[in-house]
Parts: sequence; C-alpha cells; structure tokens
Amino acid sequence: NAGVTQTPKFRVLKTGQSMTLLCAQDMNHEYMYWYRQDPGMGLRLIHYSVGEGTTAKGEVPDGYNVSRLKKQNFLLGLESAAPSQTSVYFCASSYPPPFMGEQYFGPGTRLTVT
Amino acid sequence: AQKVTQAQTEISVVEKEDVTLDCVYETRDTTYYLFWYKQPPSGELVFLIRRNSFDEQNEISGRYSWNFQKSTSSFNFTITASQVVDSAVYFCALRGTSGTYKYIFGTGTRLKVLA
Repeated sequence: NAGVTQTPKFRVLKTGQSMTLLCAQDMNHEYMYWYRQDPGMGLRLIHYSVGEGTTAKGEVPDGYNVSRLKKQNFLLGLESAAPSQTSVYFCASSYPPPFMGEQYFGPGTRLTVT
Repeated sequence: AQKVTQAQTEISVVEKEDVTLDCVYETRDTTYYLFWYKQPPSGELVFLIRRNSFDEQNEISGRYSWNFQKSTSSFNFTITASQVVDSAVYFCALRGTSGTYKYIFGTGTRLKVLA
C-alpha cells in the first residue's frame, strides 16, 4: 500500500498563476483533509471532505478550492496564486466515526509563489 | 471551542537527558481523542500515539511515555534518555466527537537534542 501520496512534491509559481495539487489515498478512507503548514503556526485546515462528492471549509479556505470526485482523490486548487500562499501543503485521510483514529498524512508539497 | 496549546516553542537538551513536552487542550466534548505526531527534519508527519478520553492510563513505549490527566486537561509527552534522532517538531492534536470532524493541532514544540 502506498498510503497517502501527493503530487507534486515541489512547485514554484508566479503570482496570478493557477495550479492543482493532487492527493490520493489507497486505504478506502472516507475523510480527507488539506492543511497548510507555516513556520510557528502549526497545521491549519484549509478544506476537508467527509465523503465522495462533499467538501467543507476549514480554518483558512480563502483563495483555495477543492473537489472530491472520487473517494480516493482530493484535489486542492489555487486559482490565482499569491505570495501569501507560499507554504508546505499536507493532505491527510482518516476513517469516519465511530472509528476515531489518527490521520494518515502525505509527504507534503512545498509551494513557493514569487 | 476546541483548542490545543503547546506553550513550549523550542526546547534544547543534551543527549541522554529526559525531556517533557507539554500539551494542554480545551474541549466541551465528553468524548474526544488526543494524538501526538512527530515531524523530523525530513518533513513527514509521523503518528506516535492516540488516546481516548475514557482511558487515562499512562502509556509507555520504549523511551517514550505519555501522561494523560483529564483533571488538568493535559496530555504530556516524555522522552527518556533523549537521542539526537529525537530532534524534531512534535505536535499534539485533539479531535472531538460533536459537530465537525476536524482535528485541532497545537503549534508544535521544536526539540533539539545536542550530542
């Protein structure tokens, strides 16, 4: 099993460009999440999904969109990148209630917006 | 509201010293789950432990131990005889069972173990 994978691992964008980050999991998890990690701020939730076809806003959703067309994939889109979106992005997945286990994380995507 | 506080931003110890990382949480849920993750310099997030709110038994795994105290809303993590490989950022996280299905993370504690 690959677990949670993220594509790409690194990316440099210019302000105003768009891109999509892909997260894939092979554990049949219902729940999937996108976080960003900035120095000194821990992990902040951008969007999450509790099942195929459903998405919801997290703590810092502005400037991002997501889609969950297939259970195993969760896409994070930046329509018009800004330097403030320079960050490391982590995808995670987990089982739904009543299974309240840990999240499984992908390796991260380091994004720089110039 | 739910909240996780890791007041220690950075800790430095000399190898073989014991070190405790503090985690204080807030939640109104009666059932909740607490977690610790390790993020080594390579960047990945590694799950260390899960504890549910009904189980206050302390846990030991090798050099790692966890002290869960509901009375003080704390879930502290101790590394005994620290090693250089323990150098990492450690995150404490909380997941409630009411409302949304989010995990709340603390801001992390950076542990530096010096040889």
